[in-house]
Amino acid sequence: QQQVKQSPQSLIVQKGGISIINCAYENTAFDYFPWYQQFPGKGPALLIAIRPDVSEKKEGRFTISFNKSAKQFSLHIMDSQPGDSATYFCAAGTGRRALTFGSGTRLQVQP
Amino acid sequence: NAGVMQNPRHLVRRRGQEARLRCSPMKGHSHVYWYRQLPEEGLKFMVYLQKENIIDESGMPKERFSAEFPKEGPSILRIQQVVRGDSAAYFCASLPGREGMEQYFGPGTRLTVT
Repeated sequence: QQQVKQSPQSLIVQKGGISIINCAYENTAFDYFPWYQQFPGKGPALLIAIRPDVSEKKEGRFTISFNKSAKQFSLHIMDSQPGDSATYFCAAGTGRRALTFGSGTRLQVQP
Repeated sequence: NAGVMQNPRHLVRRRGQEARLRCSPMKGHSHVYWYRQLPEEGLKFMVYLQKENIIDESGMPKERFSAEFPKEGPSILRIQQVVRGDSAAYFCASLPGREGMEQYFGPGTRLTVT
C-alpha cells in the first residue's frame, strides 16, 4: 500500500516535444506529491510539487496533473530540451514523514 | 546559502570495515532524512531524525546500521561490518524545523564495498 508505481521506465522524446511521466499510488493518506530530477552522479533536485487540493500546478515548462479519484498524478514537460535529459522520480508523502519514491523514468531528449 | 552537504562523496571499504557517512543540513534546517539508492532504482527511506532524536527508523536494517543527529555537528549514518550488498548511494535530505514539506537533497555518498 506504500508503493508508488511509475511509468514508463524510459522515454525518448524529440526536442520541442512533450514528455509525459505517470505515477499511481494506493495509500490515500498521501497528501504531498513532489517530482525530482536527477542527473548522473548528482543528488535528486526538487522540480515541482502538488497537494491534493488542486488538480494542476504549472511552473515554467513543467506541469503536474493530479487526479485524486484515480489516485494518479503525472509530470508534463513542455518544449522538451536536450538539457532535460535526466532521470525523473515521482514521490508521495504524508505530512513531514518520509517520502515513498517511484522507480524512476530515464528521459532522453534527442536534438 | 549553502545547500545540503555530504561527505565523503565517495567511500571505499573492505568487507567487515565500518563506514561513516556525514550530512550537514541546510542552514536553519533541523530535520534530516537518510535514503539509500541502489543502481538503477529509486530511493528507499532509511531513517528520519531531528536534533538529538530519532523520529522514524522503520526503513533502517535492525543490525549493523545506526544514525544520529547530535545537538552540534552533522548527522552521521554508521554502517558496521559492511558487506557487498551495502554498496549504494546514500543521500540525506533536510527539512526546515517548522513549516514546509520540501525535502532538499545533498549530492550523496557513493559507498563501494570490495
